[in-house]
Amino acid sequence: AQSVTQLGSHVSVSEGALVLLRCNYSSSVPPYLFWYVQYPNQGLQLLLKYTSAATLVKGINGFEAEFKKSETSFHLTKPSAHMSDAAEYFCAVSDDWGKFQFGAGTQVVVTP
Amino acid sequence: EAGVVQSPRYKIIEKKQPVAFWCNPISGHNTLYWYLQNLGQGPELLIRYENEEAVDDSQLPKDRFSAERLKGVDSTLKIQPAELGDSAVYLCASSLDRVDEQFFGPGTRLTVL
Repeated sequence: AQSVTQLGSHVSVSEGALVLLRCNYSSSVPPYLFWYVQYPNQGLQLLLKYTSAATLVKGINGFEAEFKKSETSFHLTKPSAHMSDAAEYFCAVSDDWGKFQFGAGTQVVVTP
Repeated sequence: EAGVVQSPRYKIIEKKQPVAFWCNPISGHNTLYWYLQNLGQGPELLIRYENEEAVDDSQLPKDRFSAERLKGVDSTLKIQPAELGDSAVYLCASSLDRVDEQFFGPGTRLTVL
């Protein structure tokens, strides 16, 4: 069975500072990995996905994530936080059969 | 291109009443998902369709929940009777196929009184 663990339910960052959101997964097969963002009263929107091509994946809005098989991690980063990055972020894992598992989410607060 | 459409956006009902949610996926998307999202948590899969076939409904509480996807396009999720614990956001998503990116609708926020 697959699972996803997001470390930290809340993260507070200063505007302009590094954003780092941690995601660890477990999967018995090579995984597909995703990061989604959710703004209040909206559905989830894809930030980026890993599908076994490059281990460093670039997404929208300046976000990127690195797949580290040895650490079973897929952490999300952005060099410089913007006020508009305040949202909830979800890591998700899937397999070839389309079995998706989402993490519990990390709420990001950006302070001026 | 239109995104995933869900209606209603908000629904308030008394417990033991029935309720239905409707979803229109992105045109051409074969796979459709219904998720339940509680406050402060990630989406939890209720059911996944590939075309008309429900391929994963293991997490759907079948004693009160039902779903259908007629003609492999629109889908309806029903709860009968609703319980207080069903208060949550119900999300619909669709994708081209089962391993592809999912596109989410805005969700239906259900409140059961």
